Amino acid sequence: AQKVTQAQTEISVVEKEDVTLDCVYETRDTTYYLFWYKQPPSGELVFLIRRNSFDEQNEISGRYSWNFQKSTSSFNFTITASQVVDSAVYFCALSGNNAGNMLTFGGGTRLMVKP
Amino acid sequence: EAGVAQSPRYKIIEKRQSVAFWCNPISGHATLYWYQQILGQGPKLLIQFQNNGVVDDSQLPKDRFSAERLKGVDSTLKIQPAKLEDSAVYLCASSFDGLAGLYNEQFFGPGTRLTVL
Repeated sequence: AQKVTQAQTEISVVEKEDVTLDCVYETRDTTYYLFWYKQPPSGELVFLIRRNSFDEQNEISGRYSWNFQKSTSSFNFTITASQVVDSAVYFCALSGNNAGNMLTFGGGTRLMVKP
Repeated sequence: EAGVAQSPRYKIIEKRQSVAFWCNPISGHATLYWYQQILGQGPKLLIQFQNNGVVDDSQLPKDRFSAERLKGVDSTLKIQPAKLEDSAVYLCASSFDGLAGLYNEQFFGPGTRLTVL
């Protein structure tokens, strides 16, 4: 069975602050993929990143960065210098090699960035 | 490239009525998924098709939900009869090929927001 936990249900920051969204996962698969999606108020899920379980290198894309630590089963997402447009619900998700490409989502973290 | 299309975008019905949602995946995508997203929760997979065959429908409430993808392209998800707890956003996604061990990114449609009164 696969499980994704996002303990932070809601985070509120002031613009330009850095913010980290936590994600902890459980899986018995040896090969798996981890994802982050953004869901703005419009409702569509926007793909942000995918990481393979064999690649633990951290990744940076503009103001976004991801920290994957297999030892703690965590895949955390940091937004540097947050902006109002970053306000959305963010989902962490997991897909295992024995799960037929099925995505298991966490409960989501609602990020509110205030001006 | 056109994205995943869904219709309608919004639907309001009374309990015990029937409703159907339509999804047109990205052209050439063999795998199609239906997810249910209840307010305040993450999406939950209802059913996964590979071409016109069902790969996984273990979380589909089969007493009231049904889905088909007859020609391996468009898909329809039906609820009959609807209950209050079916109020949710129904998301359709597609991927090029969903074979286990070969990951392909899922692309999501805008969703259909269902309200059951």
